[in-house]
Amino acid sequence: QITLKESGPTLVKPTQTLTLTCTFSGFSLSTSGVAVGWIRQPPGKALEWLALIFWDDDKRYNPSLRSGLTITKDTSKNQVVLTMTNMDPVDTATYFCAHRPPITYSNYFDYWGQGALVTVSS
Amino acid sequence: AIQLTQSPSSLSASVGDRVTITCRASQGISSALAWYQQKPGKAPKLLISDAFSLEDGVPSRFSGSGSETDFTLTISSLQPEDFATYYCQQFDGYPITFGQGTRLDIK
Repeated sequence: QITLKESGPTLVKPTQTLTLTCTFSGFSLSTSGVAVGWIRQPPGKALEWLALIFWDDDKRYNPSLRSGLTITKDTSKNQVVLTMTNMDPVDTATYFCAHRPPITYSNYFDYWGQGALVTVSS
Repeated sequence: AIQLTQSPSSLSASVGDRVTITCRASQGISSALAWYQQKPGKAPKLLISDAFSLEDGVPSRFSGSGSETDFTLTISSLQPEDFATYYCQQFDGYPITFGQGTRLDIK
């Protein structure tokens, strides 16, 4: 059974760096084709894809976001970490991590974490 | 980036109704489209991948169709648990993008 769970601060101040951790079980990020992504959703708004990291450490980012986005993985701990620098109130959102199935050309998400609400405010 | 435009943005319907939601891509994406259902305070749930492939456990009243730029999600007979917001997502290229959502509520 695949599960994912996001953890991190609920409140960050403007200009600070946000670090979110996705801890997962039921799959390995060393398995060919597997990837984990981050998606966020501002209150009352649509979903926005942020980043994706593959089993081979290939990384993809949404270019519409500023360059301060970094995704990393720790395969031994079954964790994926997202960092966002220079946070702004517009970054207030629920942040989800999600599993991408190990199927070629299939960058969709079949399992999601419950989400973590992050508020950016001074 | 490939833009996805869903219509309508919101929809009121009754239990038993047949409902169709449209997703239009700004350029051809073959069949690289997924549909999700999201209920308030919950994570999205994958319903359909590759434009028409129903995920395991998803009721057969849900169906998807379309290719390239025009896609539809159809619910053949609405059930009370289907009232939610629905999103399409393209995975033909990067960045991965989502539609703006269609809110389906009870008439």
